[in-house]
Amino acid sequence: DIQLTQSPSFLSASVGDRVTITCRASQGISNYLAWYQQAPGKAPKLLIYAASTLQSGVPSRFSGSGSGTEFTLTISSLQPEDFATYYCQQLNSYPLYTFGQGTKLEIK
Amino acid sequence: QVQLVESGGGVVQPGRSLRLSCAASGFTFNTYSMHWVRQAPGKGLEWVALISYDGINKYYPDSVKGRLTISRDNSKNTLYLQMNSLSADDTAVYYCARSSGYYGGFDNWGQGTLVTVSS
Repeated sequence: DIQLTQSPSFLSASVGDRVTITCRASQGISNYLAWYQQAPGKAPKLLIYAASTLQSGVPSRFSGSGSGTEFTLTISSLQPEDFATYYCQQLNSYPLYTFGQGTKLEIK
Repeated sequence: QVQLVESGGGVVQPGRSLRLSCAASGFTFNTYSMHWVRQAPGKGLEWVALISYDGINKYYPDSVKGRLTISRDNSKNTLYLQMNSLSADDTAVYYCARSSGYYGGFDNWGQGTLVTVSS
């Protein structure tokens, strides 16, 4: 099974900061990676798929990059509504999709 | 707009069964594969089931295989998850989610329904 490891697990930042979250896969997954945002008490929301393609309606301050085993999610200028938990998901081993353990982004 | 509404959660005793439903609207349900994903309290996301658009192909991770069964009724635009032999480890919020193709992720999610397994 493909394992995904996100780092850091917790991140403290301020409004306006640029932040980066990393997701590492235990084996190569090409660009078959998605990122989700989950606000407290809410369902996850798809932000990015195919490692770098922004889902419709997602603000352009979100961006993704990477391929193979290392991927990043970057938020260029944090807004108050961005404080949430972020998950990566590998889509390479259809249909056995797996998620990373999550990164909680908190207000400093 | 796409809407997914789960129901059927609640408190159930260990060893008992429960069936969850997910009512879909705002899109052509019978052309999309669908998933169930769960989240234990304070924990991360775990994919637990996938069903093809026509209901023929079904997939599960080893952790739930044999106890959870996904199904759908395309005439009713409804997705189901039958859960048997429940244990405390099955306590979670269960979400239904729409598949955006093999590699496109899960593009729409319901609000979730909480299942609590407790005596």
